[in-house]
Amino acid sequence: DTGVSQNPRHKITKRGQNVTFRCDPISEHNRLYWYRQTLGQGPEFLTYFQNEAQLEKSRLLSDRFSAERPKGSFSTLEIQRTEQGDSAMYLCASSANWDSGNTIYFGEGSWLTVV
Amino acid sequence: RKEVEQDPGPFNVPEGATVAFNCTYSNSASQSFFWYRQDCRKEPKLLMSVYSSGNEDGRFTAQLNRASQYISLLIRDSKLSDSATYLCVGTNQGAQKLVFGQGTRLTINP
Repeated sequence: DTGVSQNPRHKITKRGQNVTFRCDPISEHNRLYWYRQTLGQGPEFLTYFQNEAQLEKSRLLSDRFSAERPKGSFSTLEIQRTEQGDSAMYLCASSANWDSGNTIYFGEGSWLTVV
Repeated sequence: RKEVEQDPGPFNVPEGATVAFNCTYSNSASQSFFWYRQDCRKEPKLLMSVYSSGNEDGRFTAQLNRASQYISLLIRDSKLSDSATYLCVGTNQGAQKLVFGQGTRLTINP
């Protein structure tokens, strides 16, 4: 499967614990995005990378959130000291910036439940 | 005001009916436009791009009205399999990222 891959797909954690999600984009896609989606809402932009450079971060991304893409391939999203409000689906997406249609392909998401 | 706004519904229509969704956008999400489809607990998937001249893909027609800053999606001869959430999407200036609306939930009834 050459699509966007995310893991773990599901994570249940206790409040205060740290969690990390990994995203493997489509091969040769140099843009990688993280979005968050809660029930009944559309995905909300968190951050994006072009190669290894993090070019934009949403104000939604508090100091407890950090994302990295060290070699310009896979990315990790870490949430420290989780809170119940962090419960959501975390979506990773990738695109190639040469694609004139700017089609962005999403992974299946990582579901986080903070109890 | 949200950058992309749409009626969350739900819309319940009988199979075979025609259904239309609209959404409005702000200047900060006004470069390119798309409709994405999202099934329950699944990721969003691109349904179609939206062009200024309007475009059609089978039973689906998308329209863009830049003067009024709204986008529409028309589904003709609806099928049970069309039941999903439809997300109206714009991109920011420079088309660096997608900006999503809340989504409109559609259920097609037999």
